Amino acid sequence: DAGVIQSPRHEVTEMGQEVTLRCKPISGHNSLFWYRQTMMRGLELLIYFNNNVPIDDSGMPEDRFSAKMPNASFSTLKIQPSEPRDSAVYFCASRPPRVPSGNTIYFGEGSWLTVV
Amino acid sequence: LAKTTQPISMDSYEGQEVNITCSHNNIATNDYITWYQQFPSQGPRFIIQGYKTKVTNEVASLFIPADRKSSTLSLPRVSLSDTAVYYCLVGPGGNFNKFYFGSGTKLNVKP
Repeated sequence: DAGVIQSPRHEVTEMGQEVTLRCKPISGHNSLFWYRQTMMRGLELLIYFNNNVPIDDSGMPEDRFSAKMPNASFSTLKIQPSEPRDSAVYFCASRPPRVPSGNTIYFGEGSWLTVV
Repeated sequence: LAKTTQPISMDSYEGQEVNITCSHNNIATNDYITWYQQFPSQGPRFIIQGYKTKVTNEVASLFIPADRKSSTLSLPRVSLSDTAVYYCLVGPGGNFNKFYFGSGTKLNVKP
């Protein structure tokens, strides 16, 4: 069974450019989470979706960040325009319906973003 | 959501048992305690979850006292490959809960 798939794995872009990160959750999972990880701030929850609907985006740092989930098998996190302080690892995670998953979520390998 | 407190780092040697304690004084009645492990360059992965008393699986044991204000993750006979960051999370089950990861505990296993 394929895990959470993220792309690109690595991206280097120039300040001001648009960045789009993609995520394919595990089939059958109905919750999706976007996290950002840096040395300074650790793992930060940016936004999460349930049944394709954004439930809480209070962690999204600025209006430059937006996330969508057009269907159950795909989500994007977009940064426009990107800035050097956006450099981080961005993780996508998904979660199956409640029973019998408890509090288990499954992470992808991450997208390593460097903005120069 | 209940706040959690863990040691920032721990050192151990191969073959030893390692116990990492997490404090969660404000845990709610319907909260579960979940531990994740993160290796460098990878996303966190689920290790173990419990509500009360003791839970054991093939990877670890989780001890939860009666008041549930703390929990201890126990890793038996660690190896170098257990070097990772371990996160303790506390929160309710259900579809609409958030997962907040604290700073975690950096476990360094030495030969």
